[in-house]
Amino acid sequence: QSALTQPRSVSGSPGQSVTISCTGTSSDVGAYNFVSWYQQHPGKAPKLMIYDVDKRPSGVPDRFSGSKSANTASLSISGLQADDDADYYCCSYAGNYWVFGGGTKLTVL
Amino acid sequence: QVQLVESGGGVVQPGGSLRLSCVASGFPFSGYGMHWVRHTPGKGLEWVTFIRYDGSNKYYADSVRGRFTISRDISKNTVDLQMDSLRVEDTAIYFCARQLGLTGMDYWGLGTLVTVSS
Repeated sequence: QSALTQPRSVSGSPGQSVTISCTGTSSDVGAYNFVSWYQQHPGKAPKLMIYDVDKRPSGVPDRFSGSKSANTASLSISGLQADDDADYYCCSYAGNYWVFGGGTKLTVL
Repeated sequence: QVQLVESGGGVVQPGGSLRLSCVASGFPFSGYGMHWVRHTPGKGLEWVTFIRYDGSNKYYADSVRGRFTISRDISKNTVDLQMDSLRVEDTAIYFCARQLGLTGMDYWGLGTLVTVSS
């Protein structure tokens, strides 16, 4: 049950786009289309942003999008806004358990 | 609206026990599986355990298997986490979260803090 690999940090200026990668294995990310992404502001509960690799829950702006290729999933955020400054975590089903990434700190400059 | 409220956190010595509870409202509790997920500043989010909607199956992270037990009470709309043989590394904020298919969790509580320290 090893954690998925995410970059520790990414940054971008308002209006720019960023992509956060999430690398797993053929037993988790590569095996299932059950990848989700969560946004977490300090001291707050995580918020679901993407599920089933590329689906957006109601209320999440279409600036957020998800994709997957082989063992790597990605979260893309376009038109960066100040409120996007947060930690982002990916999560994958792995067959009777779930595994999170180590988290990526997004800084909006 | 969906609400999940955790309770039971506190300070406990290594080797001790603690029982967390999560009360659910705003949705048909008996139709959803439930997760516990914990967060630490150093490791971020870590999935802990899951119980199916009917309690028939329970799954655990390797790090807690044999020490933690998840259970649910449909009559009270609660999901509990019994934590035994606690270790310093179990120190975290513990969240309960509602299952969203196999992809993860859609609604989360605000969390309860567990501190394991001598």
